[in-house]
Amino acid sequence: AQKVTQAQTEISVVEKEDVTLDCVYETRDTTYYLFWYKQPPSGELVFLIRRNSFDEQNEISGRYSWNFQKSTSSFNFTITASQVVDSAVYFCALSENRDDKIIFGKGTRLHILP
Amino acid sequence: DTAVSQTPKYLVTQMGNDKSIKCEQNLGHDTMYWYKQDSKKFLKIMFSYNNKELIINETVPNRFSPKSPDKAHLNLHINSLELGDSAVYFCASRARRGGYGYTFGSGTRLTVV
Repeated sequence: AQKVTQAQTEISVVEKEDVTLDCVYETRDTTYYLFWYKQPPSGELVFLIRRNSFDEQNEISGRYSWNFQKSTSSFNFTITASQVVDSAVYFCALSENRDDKIIFGKGTRLHILP
Repeated sequence: DTAVSQTPKYLVTQMGNDKSIKCEQNLGHDTMYWYKQDSKKFLKIMFSYNNKELIINETVPNRFSPKSPDKAHLNLHINSLELGDSAVYFCASRARRGGYGYTFGSGTRLTVV
């Protein structure tokens, strides 16, 4: 069965610090997709990134970077030089290739303190 | 143009009432979903329709009934509302299964009093 675990329920860091959000997944499928979504205090769910199981290359987008490691079934998300606007709940999610749905982890609430 | 629009954004109602939430997408996606987000922020799938056909029906009380008149619309009707139904309900659409992510609506905050 597929499962996504975000062990960090809540994290607080001071602005400008780097912070990593952990995500561990379980799947029996060899082809699958991993996602990160952001939910700011305003409540909408914003897509950040998608990664397929055959592409272990790390990705960087501005201050955001993602580290995908199949050996440890992890897809971690790092924010460099955090800003107050990064305060949000972040969800890691998984979709198996033949599945009609995406399942979400329980989310990590990130507080960036000024 | 809003890609996935839900109405209403807020809904406050008394226990026992029946209410509906509407969702429309203009992305041409084949599949639409309803998710429930509880007070702890956990996102749980409720239903999914693919081209007007129900394809996912998780363990949801049968007081909840989805209706899809066409592939651009997926409405959620809730009968005999209970306090525990209070949550944020998100509609989402997806082009296809597999590597395609969701586009979410802005959510409907339902409060049952």
